[in-house]
Amino acid sequence: NAGVTQTPKFRVLKTGQSMTLLCAQDMNHEYMYWYRQDPGMGLRLIHYSVGEGTTAKGEVPDGYNVSRLKKQNFLLGLESAAPSQTSVYFCASSYGVSDQPQHFGDGTRLSIL
Amino acid sequence: GQQVMQIPQYQHVQEGEDFTTYCNSSTTLSNIQWYKQRPGGHPVFLIQLVKSGEVKKQKRLTFQFGEAKKNSSLHITATQTTDVGTYFCAVNAGNNRKLIWGLGTSLAVNP
Repeated sequence: NAGVTQTPKFRVLKTGQSMTLLCAQDMNHEYMYWYRQDPGMGLRLIHYSVGEGTTAKGEVPDGYNVSRLKKQNFLLGLESAAPSQTSVYFCASSYGVSDQPQHFGDGTRLSIL
Repeated sequence: GQQVMQIPQYQHVQEGEDFTTYCNSSTTLSNIQWYKQRPGGHPVFLIQLVKSGEVKKQKRLTFQFGEAKKNSSLHITATQTTDVGTYFCAVNAGNNRKLIWGLGTSLAVNP
């Protein structure tokens, strides 16, 4: 059982480049989330989805876009990468929110030069 | 917006000492979740508390939910080096769509 799989695991970009981070889950979860984690800042929600075809902004959505075309996949796009987007990105999924745990992927370590 | 305060931010203990982290909210919570993140790893769900005054134990870990459902604690008895990591609490944002996360307590254990 793979759980939540994120690709790639590491990436280095130059300022202005674009890229897409892929998250795939095999647990038939409805809810999926993208977080970024920076030292001392905890987990900050970028965007989330409560079902296929739906997305919503989180706490820090600027500079990112997402898509949930299939229930099992949640894509995070960086339109024009900036050094401030250097971070560790985590994808998570859950059956629900209030009473179900979130399952996390291993993370993508992204550096923007 | 709703916030959850987690203290302390860091804790450094000798192996065998006890450790406690606290999570506090200004509003009544429906439930609270606790997660652990090992260095270089991802957050892993530990437990969920739902009832007022609830106490749950997992081996050396004791989780408590306050009577007013506004605070919670995680206590580790006789820490071990395997307890190293950051412990996060997370609460329902109120709209049943996302969680609000504490900033975490980073635990270091000297062998």
